[in-house]
Amino acid sequence: AQRVTQPEKLLSVFKGAPVELKCNYSYSGSPELFWYVQYSRQRLQLLLRHISRESIKGFTADLNKGETSFHLKKPFAQEEDSAMYYCALRTSRAGNMLTFGGGTRLMVKP
Amino acid sequence: DGGITQSPKYLFRKEGQNVTLSCEQNLNHDAMYWYRQDPGQGLRLIYYSQIVNDFQKGDIAEGYSVSREKKESFPLTVTSAQKNPTAFYLCASSVTGQGAYTIYFGEGSWLTVV
Repeated sequence: AQRVTQPEKLLSVFKGAPVELKCNYSYSGSPELFWYVQYSRQRLQLLLRHISRESIKGFTADLNKGETSFHLKKPFAQEEDSAMYYCALRTSRAGNMLTFGGGTRLMVKP
Repeated sequence: DGGITQSPKYLFRKEGQNVTLSCEQNLNHDAMYWYRQDPGQGLRLIYYSQIVNDFQKGDIAEGYSVSREKKESFPLTVTSAQKNPTAFYLCASSVTGQGAYTIYFGEGSWLTVV
């Protein structure tokens, strides 16, 4: 069975500090990983996906199959990064199912 | 304006009553989903539907029911059998079989049992 674990429920950093939101997964097949973000009073939206190998709003995430991790990183946090972040795993079960982690609330203090 | 619309945004229900949450999308997506969001537990899949007139149980389907009579609509009924229904409910949709997979979410519905 697939599982996504985000060990930190809350992560608090100061503006300008580096930030890393951890995500570990377990899945026997070939994983497809995503990060979703939910800003205050906004709907949940896609931040980035591992297959694109892109940087969005300064965030990057590298899939490490050896460590089964997909940590989200940003070198210099901004106050507007404060939000709820969810790591998600797409599986082959019935097509496009997403399994979500428990989420990490990022608070960037001035 | 395209997207996914959930209604109502806030709903109060008395214990023992059924309540139905609406989800409508005009994105022409084949697949639709219902998730429940609880603090610290992330999003858990309740039901999903890949095509009209067909749907499958997710991880926490007990106490819920759905229908998919139209491509655009996927209503969720929270029945009196659901033991802890107070939660935030999210509807989503996606295109099946799309290589660059993206799932779109509604704004959610808050259900409170009083």
